[in-house]
Amino acid sequence: GESVGLHLPTLSVQEGDNSIINCAYSNSASDYFIWYKQESGKGPQFIIDIRSNMDKRQGQRVTVLLNKTVKHLSLQIAATQPGDSAVYFCAELGGGADGLTFGKGTHLIIQP
Amino acid sequence: DGGITQSPKYLFRKEGQNVTLSCEQNLNHDAMYWYRQDPGQGLRLIYYSQIVNDFQKGDIAEGYSVSREKKESFPLTVTSAQKNPTAFYLCASSMTGQSYEQYFGPGTRLTVT
Repeated sequence: GESVGLHLPTLSVQEGDNSIINCAYSNSASDYFIWYKQESGKGPQFIIDIRSNMDKRQGQRVTVLLNKTVKHLSLQIAATQPGDSAVYFCAELGGGADGLTFGKGTHLIIQP
Repeated sequence: DGGITQSPKYLFRKEGQNVTLSCEQNLNHDAMYWYRQDPGQGLRLIYYSQIVNDFQKGDIAEGYSVSREKKESFPLTVTSAQKNPTAFYLCASSMTGQSYEQYFGPGTRLTVT
């Protein structure tokens, strides 16, 4: 079946550096994508979303890029802080399902 | 405060017992969802409901049941038929069934021994 996945399970960055978390999706019919942040033992929190008619969207310290040609989604976090340590999930919506399809997640580790 | 609440945060049960997990939202959202998360895994959809008194199976509905008698509430029952019930259960809601952000509750960690 179609799925959403991530290239790397763990990403370690120095505090203050920029982080880039990647996501590949295979359902070309998906028209809405979300990035969630999940801290240990908590529910996922919305970070930023993007629709398929856009290729870039910026929030506070975060930018999501969508490349529909290669079905790739990325989350860029500027000036990474210790509080950014979490698991980051991309999720897609579309293709007939009425729930989001989540990737396995990338664990972002911030080195002091 | 608006949001989604799940209770309890931790739940322990003996094998063979049914257990019901609570999910309540005061966001006036029409759609509600239940996901299961296993260690190191993404979220898998168990059941979802787009409107009161209606719900659909997700990808892993076997061994689970739900009800949607009120807009605010979407309880999940983990039955004895669920072979591996120990997991972290997350409830979510959204404005509609499609193309909108889902808001998540804090989760319930169920341990069955």
